Amino acid sequence: DVKVTQSSRYLVKRTGEKVFLECVQDMDHENMFWYRQDPGLGLRLIYFSYDVKMKEKGDIPEGYSVSREKKERFSLILESASTNQTSMYLCASSFPREAGELFFGEGSRLTVL
Amino acid sequence: AQSVTQLDSHVSVSEGTPVLLRCNYSSSYSPSLFWYVQHPNKGLQLLLKYTSAATLVKGINGFEAEFKKSETSFHLTKPSAHMSDAAEYFCVVTPSGYSTLTFGKGTMLLVSP
Repeated sequence: DVKVTQSSRYLVKRTGEKVFLECVQDMDHENMFWYRQDPGLGLRLIYFSYDVKMKEKGDIPEGYSVSREKKERFSLILESASTNQTSMYLCASSFPREAGELFFGEGSRLTVL
Repeated sequence: AQSVTQLDSHVSVSEGTPVLLRCNYSSSYSPSLFWYVQHPNKGLQLLLKYTSAATLVKGINGFEAEFKKSETSFHLTKPSAHMSDAAEYFCVVTPSGYSTLTFGKGTMLLVSP
C-alpha cells in the first residue's frame, strides 16, 4: 500500500522556536509538496520539489524553508515559529507525468503558543 | 491564471438522498480537474479526475462528475448518500501538463440519518 508518512501528527511549540516537519514517501515519486490548510481557505502551497536538492516557492513561502537531501524525504522548516503559523500542514507526493494525482500524508497539526 | 470556486461551504443531505457539490473553474488553458475528499483527521484522497477524455467521469465510492466547458463547471454528484460520505470535498484545477494545483476552499458534506 502506497504511503506518505508525516512524522508528527500533533506538535506544540513556542514562539521563536525552530520547527522541523518531516515527510517520507515510499512510492519513488519525484515530486513532493508542502501545503498549509486553514479553515475557509482551503489548501495553500508553501513549497514544492521536483527532484533531490531542488525546491520551488509556492504561493505562501514566507517564514518557511525546505530541504530535500534524499528522494523520499522532504522537510519543512520554520526558522522562528510565530503564532500565525498555527495550522495543519499536509505533505504530498506525485509522479511528474501524473499531474494532479497527489498522495497525501495524514497531516501535522502545529500549534504555536 | 486559474481559479476554482466551490459554490457552497456546507451541504446537508439525508442518508439515501442525492448529493450535489458544485464547482466552477476558470483556466487559461484546457484544464485538468479533480475532486479530492478529506475525512476527519485524515489526509486528502483522490476521488476522480478529468483530463480531456470522457466528459462524464466516474470515481470511487459511487461518485461521478461531469465536465461542462460551456458552463465552466465540474459538479460532483452521487445518487444516494451514505453516512460514510460525510467529509470535506475539494475541487482542484491545473493547466494540463503542469503539476501545480489550485484548490477550492472546500465543501463540507453533512449526512444525517
